Amino acid sequence: DGGITQSPKYLFRKEGQNVTLSCEQNLNHDAMYWYRQDPGQGLRLIYYSQIVNDFQKGDIAEGYSVSREKKESFPLTVTSAQKNPTAFYLCAGSAGINTGELFFGEGSRLTVL
Amino acid sequence: GESVGLHLPTLSVQEGDNSIINCAYSNSASDYFIWYKQESGKGPQFIIDIRSNMDKRQGQRVTVLLNKTVKHLSLQIAATQPGDSAVYFCADPRPEGQNFVFGPGTRLSVLP
Repeated sequence: DGGITQSPKYLFRKEGQNVTLSCEQNLNHDAMYWYRQDPGQGLRLIYYSQIVNDFQKGDIAEGYSVSREKKESFPLTVTSAQKNPTAFYLCAGSAGINTGELFFGEGSRLTVL
Repeated sequence: GESVGLHLPTLSVQEGDNSIINCAYSNSASDYFIWYKQESGKGPQFIIDIRSNMDKRQGQRVTVLLNKTVKHLSLQIAATQPGDSAVYFCADPRPEGQNFVFGPGTRLSVLP
């Protein structure tokens, strides 16, 4: 089935460790996004990518890094510099920036112990 | 900056009643809106969209109304069912100079 696949669904990490969240898509979407969601809050944009080997910071990029080496993949690394990393992370794709709807993955819940 | 926001963070309705979830936006140039449903622990799912050349669009048990004069849109769910319990977001995918802007969401609880 086509869609956005995120892994792992749940992840625990010790303070000071980097962790990478995977996002893969087979929808042939040019644009991919990472959002962060905290309890009772809306979605906040971390990074987005319009095309392979290109990405831009969103509203809350500090402490995060991404890469877009392949069209299908847009992994997010939560670094030790992120002061409050415990959250629900959502990856999404769309046909292009500001064109049409976003298709979301099922999310990855990161808990820092 | 530009924003979209929902009027109420929570809404409780009796099973079988109609639900109305409201959203206001600030960008007069916005011409396309999407409603998403997010169940607990899952990613948001597309429900229905509407373009600014329309003031009403209907889907299966859902209707979206757009009032461009007051920059307001609403999502109406007919005969609300327990499976409708979720957080509902309105989103503006094309505000100038930005990507998707999401409101904070309204949590709909369906009472038996």
